[in-house]
Amino acid sequence: EIVLTQSPDFQSVTPKEKVTITCRASQSIGSSLHWYQQKPDQSPKLLIKYASQSFSGVPSRFSGSGSGTDFTLTINSLEAEDAATYYCHQSSSLPYTFGQGTKLEIK
Amino acid sequence: EVQLLESGGGLVQPGGSLRLSCAASGFTFSSYAMSWVRQAPGKGLEWVSVISGSGGSTYYADSVKGRFTISRDNSKNTLYLQMNSLRAEDTAVYYCAKKMGIAVAGTGDYWGQGTLVTVSS
Repeated sequence: EIVLTQSPDFQSVTPKEKVTITCRASQSIGSSLHWYQQKPDQSPKLLIKYASQSFSGVPSRFSGSGSGTDFTLTINSLEAEDAATYYCHQSSSLPYTFGQGTKLEIK
Repeated sequence: EVQLLESGGGLVQPGGSLRLSCAASGFTFSSYAMSWVRQAPGKGLEWVSVISGSGGSTYYADSVKGRFTISRDNSKNTLYLQMNSLRAEDTAVYYCAKKMGIAVAGTGDYWGQGTLVTVSS
């Protein structure tokens, strides 16, 4: 099973700040890495597919990069509505797995 | 508009069974693989199972293999998860998700609102 490790687990940030969340895979997964945003009491929403492809309707301040084992989700100019937990997810190898999540708090 | 509506959750005793349903609309159901993902209270996301668009390919997490069965009825645009021999650790919100293609690869682009399963005596 491929283990995804996100860092940090928690981050408190101010509006307009740039945020970087990383996801490291226990073995190479190519570009089969996806990012989700989950707000409290809501279902997850897809932000980035295949490491760097923005999903339809996602604000341009969200971007993704990386390949192999190291991946990054970047949020430029953070907005208050971005307070959420962010998860990475790999679909390279069954069983598919998720990272443990990164909770963003807006100061 | 893609819509996914889960149902069938509830309180069940350990060792019991439950069948979850996910009614889909807004897309050609048989053209897309579907998956189930769960989230225990206050915890992260856990992938549970996936089924291809035809229903011919199914895969499971080790934690549910042999106890859970994923299936679909393409004539009814509905996805199912039959859960047997339920344990306390199966307590979670269960989400269904539409995959991006007919095969099981790839990720889920749209998710339902979830249905809560509580396993407790």
